[in-house]
Amino acid sequence: GENVEQHPSTLSVQEGDSAVIKCTYSDSASNYFPWYKQELGKGPQLIIDIRSNVGEKKDQRIAVTLNKTAKHFSLHITETQPEDSAVYFCAATTYNQGGKLIFGQGTELSVKP
Amino acid sequence: EAGVAQSPRYKIIEKRQSVAFWCNPISGHATLYWYQQILGQGPKLLIQFQNNGVVDDSQLPKDRFSAERLKGVDSTLKIQPAKLEDSAVYLCASSLGTSGNPYEQYFGPGTRLTVT
Repeated sequence: GENVEQHPSTLSVQEGDSAVIKCTYSDSASNYFPWYKQELGKGPQLIIDIRSNVGEKKDQRIAVTLNKTAKHFSLHITETQPEDSAVYFCAATTYNQGGKLIFGQGTELSVKP
Repeated sequence: EAGVAQSPRYKIIEKRQSVAFWCNPISGHATLYWYQQILGQGPKLLIQFQNNGVVDDSQLPKDRFSAERLKGVDSTLKIQPAKLEDSAVYLCASSLGTSGNPYEQYFGPGTRLTVT
């Protein structure tokens, strides 16, 4: 079955710097890759996603890139702000086979003012 | 639009006791998921319902966990008897399961279970 590895487990940046979180997946059939943000005491919230027919997607300060050949995808946050501090999870699934998400282990991002 | 509702938010029980969690998905969402999130890890799917039928329960410890989704709306997840290793946050999520982005999953706030 699918396995998703996420790095780093913790990341500390200064406000205004960029942050990059990387994930690798094992199942070449996976074709949908969402990223979730989880704040303390809350459930995960989708922040951006990418499908396998696209190499890059941007939404304001957030971007995701996908390399299908290498089976890895990354989250890029530019101009980080203290409110970006949270735990971020990547996930993978095969879009047309039920939507079962396999999550990475999470990255705790801390943005220092 | 109201989000996914879960109750209770917190529960403390002793091992070997039983516990039940309740979830009310977003109105009109056909697919409902229960995840277990152990501290410091990503969520792990326990069971997935499409309307009131089970799609995937391959990772549900069926000797102690059970779940149902009567009438294809609300769902309950039960643990009986609980073990120490069941201490975790139990997340419920729902998705449309049809057009648009059918697999965008909306999560509830979770129930934090502590087994002592």
